[in-house]
Amino acid sequence: GAGVSQSPRYKVAKRGQDVALRCDPISGHVSLFWYQQALGQGPEFLTYFQNEAQLDKSGLPSDRFFAERPEGSVSTLKIQRTQQEDSAVYLCASSFRGSENTEAFFGQGTRLTVV
Amino acid sequence: RKEVEQDPGPFNVPEGATVAFNCTYSNSASQSFFWYRQDCRKEPKLLMSVYSSGNEDGRFTAQLNRASQYISLLIRDSKLSDSATYLCVVNGDNYGQNFVFGPGTRLSVLP
Repeated sequence: GAGVSQSPRYKVAKRGQDVALRCDPISGHVSLFWYQQALGQGPEFLTYFQNEAQLDKSGLPSDRFFAERPEGSVSTLKIQRTQQEDSAVYLCASSFRGSENTEAFFGQGTRLTVV
Repeated sequence: RKEVEQDPGPFNVPEGATVAFNCTYSNSASQSFFWYRQDCRKEPKLLMSVYSSGNEDGRFTAQLNRASQYISLLIRDSKLSDSATYLCVVNGDNYGQNFVFGPGTRLSVLP
């Protein structure tokens, strides 16, 4: 398929475990975004990449959260020492340039449950 | 104060009704505006972009008032399939690249 692909779709982690969430953006899309969505809430911005450069990480809730996109394509969001409050759906989105009126396309998300 | 705010909802309306959603944003430098639709346990999908002159797509009409920093979405002749959460999205931040989402307004269209 040509859409944004995220894996795994579901992840159950024990408290304190490290997790890695993967995002494959649409081919050729320069901009990539990570969002966290709690139940009943809108997506909350975590971080933004333009190619391999992480231009904004102001939304990362703590230093346990780390994201990378080393070759400007696939991105990984890593959460260290997971806590119960990290339970949420993590959405990845990509857009062609992220410029005016360019829409963002979303993956289906990874549902993380920390027990 | 949240950067993007929406009507709290939920909205429960009968089929055929007209329903309007409101959204306000705080960043006057914002450049682009969108309405996204999110079905239960699915990812958000673009419903329509919002242009300064206002735009219409079938039963859906979007309006933008930059002076008031206000965006609206009007759905006419609502269908059961319109039931979803509607997310107001604003783009244009420090690097002009950050899509900021409102909390969403849930709509249930009842038979």
